[in-house]
Amino acid sequence: DTAVSQTPKYLVTQMGNDKSIKCEQNLGHDTMYWYKQDSKKFLKIMFSYNNKELIINETVPNRFSPKSPDKAHLNLHINSLELGDSAVYFCASSPRLAVQTDTQYFGPGTRLTVL
Amino acid sequence: TQLLEQSPQFLSIQEGENLTVYCNSSSVFSSLQWYRQEPGEGPVLLVTVVTGGEVKKLKRLTFQFGDARKDSSLHITAAQPGDTGLYLCAFGNEKLTFGTGTRLTIIP
Repeated sequence: DTAVSQTPKYLVTQMGNDKSIKCEQNLGHDTMYWYKQDSKKFLKIMFSYNNKELIINETVPNRFSPKSPDKAHLNLHINSLELGDSAVYFCASSPRLAVQTDTQYFGPGTRLTVL
Repeated sequence: TQLLEQSPQFLSIQEGENLTVYCNSSSVFSSLQWYRQEPGEGPVLLVTVVTGGEVKKLKRLTFQFGDARKDSSLHITAAQPGDTGLYLCAFGNEKLTFGTGTRLTIIP
């Protein structure tokens, strides 16, 4: 069983389009995250949610809007895509919020290419 | 300026050799984690170190947390092609802050 799943795995689109990435975790965790990994492999947090409530918004442009319909799902919608949005986006989950020894479980990533 | 600097950035060695990669900072951490990310996959937690001077072993991998809790190292003995990947150190509680990463390639 896949613990954290993301769809799609690959996303190629034109500048200016709007797209969504979906994430689901079947671990029963309370906390979910979105990370962005750039071309140099640097991984940086974008958002975190705890029990459907936004906890962290790491100075991400307003074009990015996460939505958590329930605590097992955290989707990412991106408006007006720009070239600089090209990256790999990872969803992750952890059992609880703010416990630094907890494990974060990552999804397989969505490679977004904006042309 | 990155809070967690990892070195080397790239490392390519022959199968069977030993290697050490480093994670350094000027800040003190209550714990550090090491993740490995294989191509096309998400990072997977290898270990969490919490005590200054702590050494943890995971088969051929040995992790050490510096006495001052500002740095950590990962030593791999007799590297195998399956060790190939991006090694990331990280700290944090509400959010993980990752290091700059070491891309390791083991040549068969």
